[in-house]
Amino acid sequence: GAVVSQHPSRVICKSGTSVKIECRSLDFQATTMFWYRQFPKQSLMLMATSNEGSKATYEQGVEKDKFLINHASLTLSTLTVTSAHPEDSSFYICSARDLPTRYGYTFGSGTRLTVV
Amino acid sequence: AQKITQTQPGMFVQEKEAVTLDCTYDTSDQSYGLFWYKQPSSGEMIFLIYQGSYDEQNATEGRYSLNFQKARKSANLVISASQLGDSAMYFCAMREGRGRNAGNMLTFGGGTRLMVKP
Repeated sequence: GAVVSQHPSRVICKSGTSVKIECRSLDFQATTMFWYRQFPKQSLMLMATSNEGSKATYEQGVEKDKFLINHASLTLSTLTVTSAHPEDSSFYICSARDLPTRYGYTFGSGTRLTVV
Repeated sequence: AQKITQTQPGMFVQEKEAVTLDCTYDTSDQSYGLFWYKQPSSGEMIFLIYQGSYDEQNATEGRYSLNFQKARKSANLVISASQLGDSAMYFCAMREGRGRNAGNMLTFGGGTRLMVKP
C-alpha cells in the first residue's frame, strides 16, 4: 500500500535553532500534503496545505514565516520550524492526499519535537 | 462551531465486550466523507473505516462498524469483541466536498481515549 515516510521521528533542539521535518511518499505521487500539529492529549489541528510547485496555504493563526513549508516535488514535502521556542514543542504529522490508497489519505508516522 | 464533535473524552470497556464511540458532525455539503482513525501511543494514525455521505449501507471492516445516521448527522464507531490492543485514542474525521480529487483536508474531532480492561 501507499506509504509516507516521515523523518525524523523524534528531535530535540535548542531554542532559536531551526528544525526540518521531511515527508516522502515512497510509491506514489502526492500532489497535496497536509501538515498537522498535535499538542498532548489534543486533536490534530491543520497547520497548512501544500501543493506541489506552489505556495502553501496556511490556516488562520499559523505563522507562515515560522513554519516554512516546501513541496518542491511530487514525492517530498518539508516543514521547517524556524527559530524554535519551547512552545513549538509538539507532535507534527503529515498526510498525503493520494489516489492509490483506499479513500485517499496516507499519514506519516509523525515527528515529536522538543525544544529546550 | 465545531464541525466534528466527540463527546466522550474517555471510555472504559471490558475485554471481549462491544463499545460505541460517538461522533456527530456539522456540514452543509451534500457530498462528504467520514473517517475513523486509531492513534496508539506511538502516534501513528491508523485508518479504520470510511463512510461516504451517499453510501446507503453502514460501513463495516472486520470488528469495526460505523453506525451512520445521516438525518441526525452522527457517525458512531462500534468496536465488537474489544481486545487489549484496542486501547488507544480514536478520532472521527470529516472530508467535505465532492470526490477524491477535491483535495480537501480532513477535520478531526477532539478524540476519545478508549481503555480496554482485562
